[in-house]
Amino acid sequence: QKEVEQNSGPLSVPEGAIASLNCTYSDRGSQSFFWYRQYSGKSPELIMFIYSNGDKEDGRFTAQLNKASQYVSLLIRDSQPSDSATYLCAVNRGQGAQKLVFGQGTRLTINP
Amino acid sequence: EAGVAQSPRYKIIEKRQSVAFWCNPISGHATLYWYQQILGQGPKLLIQFQNNGVVDDSQLPKDRFSAERLKGVDSTLKIQPAKLEDSAVYLCASSSGPILYEQYFGPGTRLTVT
Repeated sequence: QKEVEQNSGPLSVPEGAIASLNCTYSDRGSQSFFWYRQYSGKSPELIMFIYSNGDKEDGRFTAQLNKASQYVSLLIRDSQPSDSATYLCAVNRGQGAQKLVFGQGTRLTINP
Repeated sequence: EAGVAQSPRYKIIEKRQSVAFWCNPISGHATLYWYQQILGQGPKLLIQFQNNGVVDDSQLPKDRFSAERLKGVDSTLKIQPAKLEDSAVYLCASSSGPILYEQYFGPGTRLTVT
């Protein structure tokens, strides 16, 4: 079992719809969770992080965390073609320092 | 604020040759990371420095990979000898603090081993 698992996709969503990206993790002791966006040929950039159960909203993005189910998700509202990218889920396994374990990423395509 | 700089951007070598990558983190960032990203996969941490000390190198193939961070600023990652499976993008990232602080990634070095 991989430490961090994501559906590799591709996930295709029409423009203006909600894109839902999911991630599960195996280490129950993980404390913080990150979503990165990576455009083709570019380096990852942080979208948001979450460390408490529940929802965290930032603009069109909402991260959801359920530690009991070891599940974290990212919702993108009003999807735009510019949201087309690979989305990487990362789990921090570090104690006192950030040690990120990344999933393989989900490729998202927003269709105009 | 200047971002994380890496060089070279691309490198093609034959197997068994050696190669070195360079990274200059964002000024003042104490933590520096090297990741390996194979096509279609997420980044995998190779080594983490806090200032010029190694925090974690558990996934670094030490028989062929080595890394150092000079005076707690620039860092180099070396592969010697290279294998075909080392073909990947090598990403350097830096962070100003622990846990919830953002890691800023450099543009990466794409290595092709033939």
